[in-house]
Amino acid sequence: AQTVTQSQPEMSVQEAETVTLSCTYDTSENNYYLFWYKQPPSRQMILVIRQEAYKQQNATENRFSVNFQKAAKSFSLKISDSQLGDTAMYFCAFMNANSGGGADGLTFGKGTHLIIQP
Amino acid sequence: GAVVSQHPSRVICKSGTSVKIECRSLDFQATTMFWYRQFPKQSLMLMATSNEGSKATYEQGVEKDKFLINHASLTLSTLTVTSAHPEDSSFYICSAPGQGVPRAFFGQGTRLTVV
Repeated sequence: AQTVTQSQPEMSVQEAETVTLSCTYDTSENNYYLFWYKQPPSRQMILVIRQEAYKQQNATENRFSVNFQKAAKSFSLKISDSQLGDTAMYFCAFMNANSGGGADGLTFGKGTHLIIQP
Repeated sequence: GAVVSQHPSRVICKSGTSVKIECRSLDFQATTMFWYRQFPKQSLMLMATSNEGSKATYEQGVEKDKFLINHASLTLSTLTVTSAHPEDSSFYICSAPGQGVPRAFFGQGTRLTVV
């Protein structure tokens, strides 16, 4: 079984600043996917970014980027030029990759409540 | 993009009654769907995997007789909370995997309150 750990229950930064959310995980699998999901007050889960474990290059999506360190089992999320709309819960998640391309349930961390101050 | 629709978004029921929650994939087929539970200010915990045409698989500690799952078609999975009690009050979310894409598409969630 795998575990996902987010050690920052809450973070607060000023608008336009850069913030990094940490995530570590533990698994015996070699092939897997890692995700960051955003959950705003509406509670709709929104995919922020995805990283395939077999890729060495860190994923980026506009203002969002990750620092994926496979050997250290670390997967942090960096948000640049933070905006008020980034205020939300952020969950790090792990998915095993099976022969079907990833049809497993997700294992989530406890989440980080990110607050962007005006 | 793929859409997963979950209904109802909110439901209040009396203790001892049963409640059914529906999860539909609107523009794609899902042979597998997942049901999660989220307590206030906590993370999502996988409850069970719903499989079209076969029995659901439940995570350790989840009562299969309390949380009945039916995957009636390639686009519909239902979760029925039977004989609900106040401790079953929670936020329930379903998801379906992407078609050949390693990601999950989530429903809007259902806030269940048992009084």
